[in-house]
Amino acid sequence: AQSVTQLGSHVSVSEGALVLLRCNYSSSVPPYLFWYVQYPNQGLQLLLKYTSAATLVKGINGFEAEFKKSETSFHLTKPSAHMSDAAEYFCAVSDRRGAQKLVFGQGTRLTINP
Amino acid sequence: KAGVTQTPRYLIKTRGQQVTLSCSPISGHRSVSWYQQTPGQGLQFLFEYFSETQRNKGNFPGRFSGRQFSNSRSEMNVSTLELGDSALYLCASSLGSGALQETQYFGPGTRLLVL
Repeated sequence: AQSVTQLGSHVSVSEGALVLLRCNYSSSVPPYLFWYVQYPNQGLQLLLKYTSAATLVKGINGFEAEFKKSETSFHLTKPSAHMSDAAEYFCAVSDRRGAQKLVFGQGTRLTINP
Repeated sequence: KAGVTQTPRYLIKTRGQQVTLSCSPISGHRSVSWYQQTPGQGLQFLFEYFSETQRNKGNFPGRFSGRQFSNSRSEMNVSTLELGDSALYLCASSLGSGALQETQYFGPGTRLLVL
């Protein structure tokens, strides 16, 4: 079965600093991976997804993620944090037993310090 | 194009009652999935409906049920509510092709509080 582990339930960075949110997956077959963001009192918004077309995936709001098979990782990065990036971020993998079933990590809350 | 809408946005119920939540998918989307989000368990898949049929189901008790209508709108029902059912219930829609890389688009959720 597919699973996702997000390292660090809470990450705090200064405005303008690099954002790095870690995600490791477990899958017996090539995975399809997603990053979603959740702002307070809102649903989930897709940031980007990996579908095997390219290992470096660019998403919205300046975020990108790199798929590394050897490390079973799909870390999310942004070169320069903005106050508006403060939110909760979720890494997810498609469960191959059900096409429209996502398996989520526990989430990482990102705080931006002025 | 309008996004996924969920009604109501907030609900307060008491133990033992039942509740029905509604989800309208993006126009043209035929698959609707439901997720429960709690601080302790995180985001967990409840079930997915496609063409009025349940296509996938998560590990939740039979008190949780759903249905989908011919216009792809979906409802989920929770009977005999328990305190632990307090959660944010998220609905997501997608085209429904069955492709694993298909994107799911989420609604704002319905926050249920059980007293």
